Amino acid sequence: EAQVTQNPRYLITVTGKKLTVTCSQNMNHEYMSWYRQDPGLGLRQIYYSMNVEVTDKGDVPEGYKVSRKEKRNFPLILESPSPNQTSLYFCASNRLAGEAGELFFGEGSRLTVL
Amino acid sequence: DAKTTQPNSMESNEEEPVHLPCNHSTISGTDYIHWYRQLPSQGPEYVIHGLTSNVNNRMASLAIAEDRKSSTLILHRATLRDAAVYYCILLRSYNTDKLIFGTGTRLQVFP
Repeated sequence: EAQVTQNPRYLITVTGKKLTVTCSQNMNHEYMSWYRQDPGLGLRQIYYSMNVEVTDKGDVPEGYKVSRKEKRNFPLILESPSPNQTSLYFCASNRLAGEAGELFFGEGSRLTVL
Repeated sequence: DAKTTQPNSMESNEEEPVHLPCNHSTISGTDYIHWYRQLPSQGPEYVIHGLTSNVNNRMASLAIAEDRKSSTLILHRATLRDAAVYYCILLRSYNTDKLIFGTGTRLQVFP
């Protein structure tokens, strides 16, 4: 089954404790991206990757890092989480960067930073 | 970046057609119009997309204005399961790929 898998689905952590949210897709997609969703603000893009070793900033990249060492995985790293990073995070993938068509989303990771 | 404007909320009765509007007056020639929806506690789900011509699929129809400055997502017979937030998004079809989601339209469907 084609899917985008995120882990963990729920996480409560404390300020400053590094964490990684993993994202994996099994569709051999080139394009992957991360979004955060906050009440009243819709989805905002954090980072995206057009292929292995190619990443770029989205609209709200501050406080986040990503890596794309292999095609299927695109982890989101919070080196020193702060309470304003409490949010619902979604990973997504598409067959080709810039290609019109279906963007596949994961089920989301709800992060709380105390 | 081109932006989209949608009503905050809409209501419909079950079995009735629903027309969800989207304005994108600054759309460029290479922008595709995409629609996604998000059911409660789930990730966004693709609905339909188009460039210039109207499009139909098993979920919905997309009507695109001749000048492309607006579009309408049509659900032919709303069901309770269609209650969701619907997002109209522009996707630029060149190398860089920045998807910009607005706040969407919350659709309520009444039995």
